[in-house]
Amino acid sequence: EAQVTQNPRYLITVTGKKLTVTCSQNMNHEYMSWYRQDPGLGLRQIYYSMNVEVTDKGDVPEGYKVSRKEKRNFPLILESPSPNQTSLYFCASSFSQGNEKLFFGSGTQLSVL
Amino acid sequence: ILNVEQSPQSLHVQEGDSTNFTCSFPSSNFYALHWYRWETAKSPEALFVMTLNGDEKKKGRISATLNTKEGYSYLYIKGSQPEDSATYLCASHTGTASKLTFGTGTRLQVTL
Repeated sequence: EAQVTQNPRYLITVTGKKLTVTCSQNMNHEYMSWYRQDPGLGLRQIYYSMNVEVTDKGDVPEGYKVSRKEKRNFPLILESPSPNQTSLYFCASSFSQGNEKLFFGSGTQLSVL
Repeated sequence: ILNVEQSPQSLHVQEGDSTNFTCSFPSSNFYALHWYRWETAKSPEALFVMTLNGDEKKKGRISATLNTKEGYSYLYIKGSQPEDSATYLCASHTGTASKLTFGTGTRLQVTL
């Protein structure tokens, strides 16, 4: 089944404790992206990747890192999480960027205490 | 318009009603306009991606139109059903920006 697999679904952590949210797609998509959703705001892009080893900042990249060593995986890394990173996170992928629909992962609800 | 704006913010209709929402987006350097349906506790799912001025797309009872010159798109739902209850997101992609900019969505609730 074609899908974007995102883990974990829920995560509670404490300030400063490094964490990684994994994202994997099985559709051979070139484009992958991370978004965060906060109440009253639209989905905001954190980072995106056009292909392997090609990543770039989105609108809200501060406090996050990503890597794209393989085409299928695009993990989101929070080196030192802070409470303002408490949010609902989505990974998404598409064949290319712009005029192709995005496929979203199931989301990760992160709480940083 | 600098950002993607959606209206109304929320909408409550009865089963069988037809309804429509608006998405306004920057018209300069337009590349594509996306519509997504987002049910509570699930992830957004694509409805349409439109690129050409005058585009009209349809999927069952849901259809969308696109006006790139004036920067707006309409999403129509004919004969709303309770299972149509969801948040409908639009997102604009401009040619100079390598990203989709999402609106805050229109939350639709359909009751019996």
